Amino acid sequence: DIQMTQSPSSLSASVGDRVTITCQASQDINTYLAWYQQKPGKAPRLLIYGASNLETGVPSRFSGSAFRTDFTFTITSLQPEDIATYYCQQYDLLPITFGQGTRLDIK
Amino acid sequence: QVQLAESGGGVVQPGGSLRLSCAASGFTFSSYGMNWLRQAPGKGLEWVAFISFDGGNKQYVDSVKGRFTISRDTSMNTLHLQLNSLRPEDTAMYYCAKGPTRSQWLVPFDTWGQGTLVTVSS
Repeated sequence: DIQMTQSPSSLSASVGDRVTITCQASQDINTYLAWYQQKPGKAPRLLIYGASNLETGVPSRFSGSAFRTDFTFTITSLQPEDIATYYCQQYDLLPITFGQGTRLDIK
Repeated sequence: QVQLAESGGGVVQPGGSLRLSCAASGFTFSSYGMNWLRQAPGKGLEWVAFISFDGGNKQYVDSVKGRFTISRDTSMNTLHLQLNSLRPEDTAMYYCAKGPTRSQWLVPFDTWGQGTLVTVSS
């Protein structure tokens, strides 16, 4: 199975800060990497697919990038409504696997 | 709009069974593969099962193979997950998610249901 190592597990930042989350795949997954946002009591929401493509309707302050097996998710200017847990996911091979999640809150 | 709605969760004893359903609307259900995922309380996301658009290809995570069965009823636009031989570690919120079209293989999950909670406890 492909292991997705996501860090940090938790993060505290101020409104307006730039926030970065990383995810490393245990093998090449091309760019079959997605990022999700999950708020408490809600289903996950797709934000980024193909490592760097913004899903329709997602604010442009969210972005993603890739370098080999290393993937980065960035929020350029943190907003209060961005408080959530974020997950990376590979969909190159079955079983589809997720990172452990990053819990983001306001400092 | 595209919607998925799960039902069928509940409390069941270890070794018991449960059948989950996912009603789809707003898209051509027969043209899309479908998935089940789960999330244990306070834990991360886990993909559980996939079924192709025509039901001919079914895939499972190792931990549920031989115990869970995914199926679909195209006439009712409904996805099912039969859960047998349930264990306490199967306790989770179960989500259905829209998958690939017939010309695709694996895709990110752009549409999720709201989830249905399964609790396995004596």
